[in-house]
Amino acid sequence: EAGVTQFPSHSVIEKGQTVTLRCDPISGHDNLYWYRRVMGKEIKFLLHFVKESKQDESGMPNNRFLAERTGGTYSTLKVQPAELEDSGVYFCASSQDLSGQGGYGYTFGSGTRLTVV
Amino acid sequence: SQKIEQNSEALNIQEGKTATLTCNYTNYSPAYLQWYRQDPGRGPVFLLLIRENEKEKRKERLKVTFDTTLKQSLFHITASQPADSATYLCALVGGGYNKLIFGAGTRLAVHP
Repeated sequence: EAGVTQFPSHSVIEKGQTVTLRCDPISGHDNLYWYRRVMGKEIKFLLHFVKESKQDESGMPNNRFLAERTGGTYSTLKVQPAELEDSGVYFCASSQDLSGQGGYGYTFGSGTRLTVV
Repeated sequence: SQKIEQNSEALNIQEGKTATLTCNYTNYSPAYLQWYRQDPGRGPVFLLLIRENEKEKRKERLKVTFDTTLKQSLFHITASQPADSATYLCALVGGGYNKLIFGAGTRLAVHP
C-alpha cells in the first residue's frame, strides 16, 4: 500500500508570505495528525483529525496556522503570514486506530522542511 | 510538569553488541508506550508498542521493557549492526490524551 505522502518536500519562503503544506494519508486511515520539529527540539504535536473533524488542535501555535481535511481524505496546513520561527520540519502521520493503540503505531510521511527567511 | 526524557548524547557501540536506550517519563500515566526509528531526512517509523500490563515485548532483535513503577522503558537491540544506526524515539499516550507525545530521541551509532 502507498504510504503517507507529503508535498512539497522543501519550501523556502520569505517572512510574511503564505505557504500551504499537503498531506495524503494512507487510504482508509481516519486519524490524521500534524507534528512539527523545530531545530534541536523534539517532535511536537500540532493537531489531530478524525475524518474531516478536528479532534484536538491544542498544539497549534497561533491563528496564523490553519488546517483542513477536505472530505476526510487529504489535509492541508496553511501558514499565513509566515514568521521566522515557523521554520522547521512539518510531519504528517496517519493511523487506523486512535493513537496507534491497536499495535500498528502511526505511519509518518517524510515531512516538509519549511524555511522562512 | 510532564516530561519525557531520553539520553540526549549519542550512544556509540561496537557491531555485535547490545544497544540499550532509555526512556523516562514524569507526570504521565501512559496506557502504552511506542518506539520509533528515524533516519535523517525521513519521518519516524513505528517499531514496537508495549502496553502498561506488559513487562516485555520482543520483535526479532528488538526488545522493549516497560516499568510503570520506575516510569521507564528500555529499548534493546541485540547483535547490533551498522544498519541499526539511527535516532530512536519513544512516545507515549495516556492520561486522557489522544495523541502521541514524543521524546527528543537518542542517536545510536553502531561501528563496524
